[in-house]
Amino acid sequence: AQSVTQLDSQVPVFEEAPVELRCNYSSSVSVYLFWYVQYPNQGLQLLLKYLSGSTLVKGINGFEAEFNKSQTSFHLRKPSVHISDTAEYFCAVSNQAGTALIFGKGTTLSVSS
Amino acid sequence: DTAVSQTPKYLVTQMGNDKSIKCEQNLGHDTMYWYKQDSKKFLKIMFSYNNKELIINETVPNRFSPKSPDKAHLNLHINSLELGDSAVYFCASSQDRGGLRLETQYFGPGTRLLVL
Repeated sequence: AQSVTQLDSQVPVFEEAPVELRCNYSSSVSVYLFWYVQYPNQGLQLLLKYLSGSTLVKGINGFEAEFNKSQTSFHLRKPSVHISDTAEYFCAVSNQAGTALIFGKGTTLSVSS
Repeated sequence: DTAVSQTPKYLVTQMGNDKSIKCEQNLGHDTMYWYKQDSKKFLKIMFSYNNKELIINETVPNRFSPKSPDKAHLNLHINSLELGDSAVYFCASSQDRGGLRLETQYFGPGTRLLVL
């Protein structure tokens, strides 16, 4: 069965520093991978997704992620974060039937000045 | 122009009560979902409907019953509420493409349920 592990529950960084949020997945079939962001008291918003093709995926707000099949990873990166990036970030993988998302437990990104 | 809306936004109720949460999407999507987010922010699929047909029914107690009167609505009714039902419930929708629902899911703002 598919599963997702987000290796860091909390990541504190200073403004304008680079950040990497780590995500590893487990799957016996081809996967589709997603990163969602949840701002305080809001619903989730898609940052980026990998379905096929180039392993480097660019998303909104300057985020990007790299699909690494050999390491079963899909880490999220941003070269320079802003205070407004403070949020909860969720990595997700499609289930085997491709009908739903399986989410990781989330990583809290806290950006301070 | 809210894409996915939920009502109510907050719901505080006593154990044993029955309550409903409504969800509407104006995106013309074929598929709608209910997710539960617990106090540790863990998000898990509960139900999925495609064109009013139940597609996914995870291991959710029978007290939870989704109802889809039409493609744009997916309501969640909960009977005999328990303390453990306290959570944030998110509705979402996506466009179905040939049976693969891998397209972007659009989430509502959530309904914060507190059972006392």
